[in-house]
Amino acid sequence: AQTVTQSQPEMSVQEAETVTLSCTYDTSESDYYLFWYKQPPSRQMILVIRQEAYKQQNATENRFSVNFQKAAKSFSLKISDSQLGDAAMYFCAYRGLNTDKLIFGTGTRLQVFP
Amino acid sequence: EAQVTQNPRYLITVTGKKLTVTCSQNMNHEYMSWYRQDPGLGLRQIYYSMNVEVTDKGDVPEGYKVSRKEKRNFPLILESPSPNQTSLYFCASSLWPPSGRANYGYTFGSGTRLTVV
Repeated sequence: AQTVTQSQPEMSVQEAETVTLSCTYDTSESDYYLFWYKQPPSRQMILVIRQEAYKQQNATENRFSVNFQKAAKSFSLKISDSQLGDAAMYFCAYRGLNTDKLIFGTGTRLQVFP
Repeated sequence: EAQVTQNPRYLITVTGKKLTVTCSQNMNHEYMSWYRQDPGLGLRQIYYSMNVEVTDKGDVPEGYKVSRKEKRNFPLILESPSPNQTSLYFCASSLWPPSGRANYGYTFGSGTRLTVV
């Protein structure tokens, strides 16, 4: 069965600095999707970025980028120029190409200090 | 606007009093799912549905029921709630099967904070 592990329960960063959130996963599938979701205090689950496993190029969305290492089964999220509004819980998630279920990690709470 | 609507957003109830959390989506998605979120455990799937009248258990189905009589609605039923069901609940929907590589994401509702006392 697939699993997703986020080993950092909490992280903190100073405003305007860069922070990296870690995520590793375990799967025997060769094609799949990986996601980072942001959950601010409003509780809404917001899709931050998505990576398709067949693509070697790392996904980027404005200040958010990933470091996808398929062989190492690692999918870290880098937030550049951190802003106070980035403070939230961040979840890493996995979905196989032929499966319906989205599997989540346990989350990393990010604090941003002025 | 494409969305998943959950109600209520907050609910406090007493042990044993039956309750229903409603979920509705307007995107004509075949797949719908319920998750619960607990500190340190992330989101865990309770039940899911591939289409009308097709439902199946997720990872933590005990104490919950669901139904899918219409494509757009997928209510979560707690027939006899207990304090260990105090949690944050999310409904989500997705195309199934995905019609293209852009369609693998879920759309989430805004969550229901349930407290059982």
